[in-house]
Amino acid sequence: ELKVEQNPLFLSMQEGKNYTIYCNYSTTSDRLYWYRQDPGKSLESLFVLLSNGAVKQEGRLMASLDTKARLSTLHITAAVHDLSATYFCAVDYYSISNFGNEKLTFGTGTRLTIIP
Amino acid sequence: GAGVSQSPRYKVAKRGQDVALRCDPISGHVSLFWYQQALGQGPEFLTYFQNEAQLDKSGLPSDRFFAERPEGSVSTLKIQRTQQEDSAVYLCASTDNVEGARQPQHFGDGTRLSIL
Repeated sequence: ELKVEQNPLFLSMQEGKNYTIYCNYSTTSDRLYWYRQDPGKSLESLFVLLSNGAVKQEGRLMASLDTKARLSTLHITAAVHDLSATYFCAVDYYSISNFGNEKLTFGTGTRLTIIP
Repeated sequence: GAGVSQSPRYKVAKRGQDVALRCDPISGHVSLFWYQQALGQGPEFLTYFQNEAQLDKSGLPSDRFFAERPEGSVSTLKIQRTQQEDSAVYLCASTDNVEGARQPQHFGDGTRLSIL
């Protein structure tokens, strides 16, 4: 059974600071996704990481994937209030036999609060 | 449409009543997924459709849950004889099932179901 763990679960940080959210998963997969969810809203796709060593950046967010360590990180640089949200990582287990059935297993989320 | 559309946004039902939740995926998307998100948790997979075929229903929590997608576009998730533990947000997602594309799943805003 694929398990996905995130830490920390809660993160309160000051504007302008840097921090990293960690996502560990239990079985081999080279497809990892990061989503953002605002309260009462749906999930917004942030990054798709498809290979070992993949690194993607968008604004103040940067995501990386280490498939050997089964670890992904979401790094926040010089945080601003607009980044306050819950961040989820999700992994799918892809094989030829289940092509298309890319059901996602989500972590429990990291609730990020940026304090002015 | 431009995105995944779900209705109703909110549904309140008395325990024992049947409910039906609708999902209108992005036009042309072959794959459709239903997830259940409990308060403070990450979404959990319920079922998967490829066109009109339900290929995976391993996440449905009981035989009271039933999903269909008869014409390969709109999908309905039905819950019979609702129980209080069914209270959650039900999310629908769709994706383009193109080999090699590895597109992220696009989520709707969800239906918040409350069972009294």
